[in-house]
Amino acid sequence: NAGVTQTPKFQVLKTGQSMTLQCAQDMNHEYMSWYRQDPGMGLRLIHYSVGAGITDQGEVPNGYNVSRSTTEDFPLRLLSAAPSQTSVYFCASRTRQASYEQYFGPGTRLTVT
Amino acid sequence: DAKTTQPTSMDCAEGRAANLPCNHSTISGNEYVYWYRQIHSQGPQYIIHGLKNNETNEMASLIITEDRKSSTLILPHATLRDTAVYYCIVRVAKSYNTDKLIFGTGTRLQVFP
Repeated sequence: NAGVTQTPKFQVLKTGQSMTLQCAQDMNHEYMSWYRQDPGMGLRLIHYSVGAGITDQGEVPNGYNVSRSTTEDFPLRLLSAAPSQTSVYFCASRTRQASYEQYFGPGTRLTVT
Repeated sequence: DAKTTQPTSMDCAEGRAANLPCNHSTISGNEYVYWYRQIHSQGPQYIIHGLKNNETNEMASLIITEDRKSSTLILPHATLRDTAVYYCIVRVAKSYNTDKLIFGTGTRLQVFP
């Protein structure tokens, strides 16, 4: 298993540009989440999904959209990038039963200028 | 979810036990204690979790006090590869339709030769 994969690893955007961060998992996990990590602030939940077709907001959802059309994929969209969205983004997944153990991807480092 | 308090940083000599404390004085009866770690530039990694009994796995041991207001993660023989930020998280084990691990700022453990 590849586990949780994220692309790209690094990205630089200009203010106002849009892009999609990709996340995929091959473990057939029902739950998937997106977090952002900023210096001194730990990880903060952006959006999550409990299954295909079901998504919900986390702590910091503004400026981000998600969809979950398949079990495997959970893309995160930035419609109009802002410098405040400069961060490292992590995708995670887990099974419905094992709520204690999330598997995280390697992260995407995004810079918005 | 209960709030946790951890020291900002700790040092440990290679080969010695690393004991990482966590205070969670407002923990509720149905809340578990989870530990994750994050090695530099990687996604967080699950270590261990527990409710009230002490737990051990191949990575670490978790000691929870009888009143459950604090816990200690023990890495029995720390290696240089254990240098990471360690997060103590308290939450209800299963919440249907929510998936929210609240990561604080954690403890930065430095293992030295």
